[in-house]
Amino acid sequence: QVQLQQSGAELAKPGSSVKISCKASGYTFTSYAMHWIKQTTGQALEWTGYIAPGSGGTKYNEKFKGKATLTVDKSSSTAYMQLSSLTPVDTAVYYCARSTAWGYFDYWGQGVMVTVSS
Amino acid sequence: NIVLTQSPASLAVILGQKATISCTASESVNKFGINLMHWYQQKPGQLPKILIYNEFSRAPGIPARFSGDEAELNFTLTIEPVEADDVATYYCQQGLTFPLTFGSGTKLEIK
Repeated sequence: QVQLQQSGAELAKPGSSVKISCKASGYTFTSYAMHWIKQTTGQALEWTGYIAPGSGGTKYNEKFKGKATLTVDKSSSTAYMQLSSLTPVDTAVYYCARSTAWGYFDYWGQGVMVTVSS
Repeated sequence: NIVLTQSPASLAVILGQKATISCTASESVNKFGINLMHWYQQKPGQLPKILIYNEFSRAPGIPARFSGDEAELNFTLTIEPVEADDVATYYCQQGLTFPLTFGSGTKLEIK
């Protein structure tokens, strides 16, 4: 069965960076795009960007350019998102999610809580 | 960017009655005759789950109580009859153009 297993919660200081992971299993990793979605405590969902694991090609929401960097390790079927220059505004739950060709997310990771605080 | 205006923000419905949630797109989300509008359910403390994709197609395992429709860029999610297990926040999402965007969510409660 398809599973997306994300890394654990992060507590980071303002100005620092974090790198969170999403390990995929149960399907061919390179056949589906992997997206990252931010959810703040106010519940809003924001699409951050996606990576095509086969080619490494990426597409970012303009709002997150310079903030998020998406990479993959095909050998371990793991996707990564690095968040840099963290501020309290970056405090949120970050989900990885697999997309279909129709642009909807059929499988989600359990989410990673990133807290930015001094 | 395609803006999705979702309403109402919250909704209280009597068990067994009908809940209707609206999502209006700022422009067409149609590709090759298919509206790439999708609906998710997020129960408290859980991750979002796909309910309806491509305007009206139910995801695997989703009961027929959930249905999707569209009229002139106004998309609706209907739940009838509402059950206690449906308490959740519901989001629409367009899959046509980047950036992919979500509605602001509708919180469903039982009256």
